[in-house]
Amino acid sequence: GENVEQHPSTLSVQEGDSAVIKCTYSDSASNYFPWYKQELGKRPQLIIDIRSNVGEKKDQRIAVTLNKTAKHFSLHITETQPEDSAVYFCAASIKSVMRFGAGTRLTVKP
Amino acid sequence: DARVTQTPRHKVTEMGQEVTMRCQPILGHNTVFWYRQTMMQGLELLAYFRNRAPLDDSGMPKDRFSAEMPDATLATLKIQPSEPRDSAVYFCASAGTGGSYNEQFFGPGTRLTVL
Repeated sequence: GENVEQHPSTLSVQEGDSAVIKCTYSDSASNYFPWYKQELGKRPQLIIDIRSNVGEKKDQRIAVTLNKTAKHFSLHITETQPEDSAVYFCAASIKSVMRFGAGTRLTVKP
Repeated sequence: DARVTQTPRHKVTEMGQEVTMRCQPILGHNTVFWYRQTMMQGLELLAYFRNRAPLDDSGMPKDRFSAEMPDATLATLKIQPSEPRDSAVYFCASAGTGGSYNEQFFGPGTRLTVL
């Protein structure tokens, strides 16, 4: 089955700096790669996603890149703000079934 | 604002007791997932249903866990008997019928503590 690895497990940055989270997946049939943000005590919520026929997608301060050949994808957050502090999960999906990475705890220091 | 709902939000029980968690997916969504979240294991897929039929429950301990979808508006996850290692947050998520690229919408979760 699909296996998703996510790095780093924790990330601390200064406000205004960029943050990058990386994920790899194992099943080349995966065709949808969402990123979820989970604040403490809350439900995971989708922040951005990318389909396998696209290499990059951007939405304001967040962007995701996908390298299908290497089977890895990354989340980029620019100009980080304290409210970006949360746990971020990547996922790889086949036919709507998602396997999640272990999560990255991002802390943005004011 | 359509949302997935789950009940109860919190449950404290003693080892050996039966626990039933309920989920109401977003109206019109035909795929329902159950996840377990712990600090150590992240988000684990336990089981999922499509059009109310169970498609995969390989993530569940079969001897004590069971998942059902008695109708399109209700999914249940039952643990009997419960054990302290079952303590976790259980999330339900639903997805629509728009092909392969379906966002999953998560419920607020049920925080289960087994003493």
